[in-house]
Amino acid sequence: QVQLQESGPGLVKPSQTLSLTCTVSGGSISSGSYYWSWIRQPAGKGLEWIGRVSATGSTNSNPSLKSRITLSIDTSRNQFSLKLSSVAAADTAVYYCAREVLVAALPYYFDYWGQGILVTVSS
Amino acid sequence: DIQMTQSPSSLSASVGDRVTITCRAGQSISTYLNWYQQKPGKAPNLLIYGASNLQSGVPSRFSGSGSGTDFTLTISSLQREDFATYYCQQSYITPRTFGQGTKVEIK
Repeated sequence: QVQLQESGPGLVKPSQTLSLTCTVSGGSISSGSYYWSWIRQPAGKGLEWIGRVSATGSTNSNPSLKSRITLSIDTSRNQFSLKLSSVAAADTAVYYCAREVLVAALPYYFDYWGQGILVTVSS
Repeated sequence: DIQMTQSPSSLSASVGDRVTITCRAGQSISTYLNWYQQKPGKAPNLLIYGASNLQSGVPSRFSGSGSGTDFTLTISSLQREDFATYYCQQSYITPRTFGQGTKVEIK
């Protein structure tokens, strides 16, 4: 059974960098059949896709956040990571990592999600 | 970005009711449309992918239809465990975008 688990600080100061890691167990992150994504959800609000990284390290990011995002993957540790710079209160949210399945070589749907981690931006 | 619009934003229904939720895309997305269920404090759970394909392990009372810009999620007979928020999501292009959600509450 595949499991994803987010980890990182729950509190980040304004203007600093938010850093999160997602550890994948029960399957290899090196598989070319998946992309590895970050999605966030402010309290009481909807879901916002942040970006994704492939096993080869190629990335796609949401243009609304692109200048502040760094995505990476560590296949030796079966982990992928998100860094979001210059955070503000509006970045306070539950952050999820998720696996996006490729169908006919095209990313298609998110089938496994982490439990989510609440990150609060506050001084 | 492709805007995804769900209706209604919320609804009240009774156990056993048939429930329909609609999702409209801002442009044609073929059948690159997925549906998720989210319960409070939990991550979203995939119900339907490719507009009409039932994810493994999901009860058959859930079904999806549509193509192009208009899509529907139907729960044929609402069960107590189905009270939750439902989101549609397009996988046609990046950035991936979600509908604003439909909260299904107990009448």
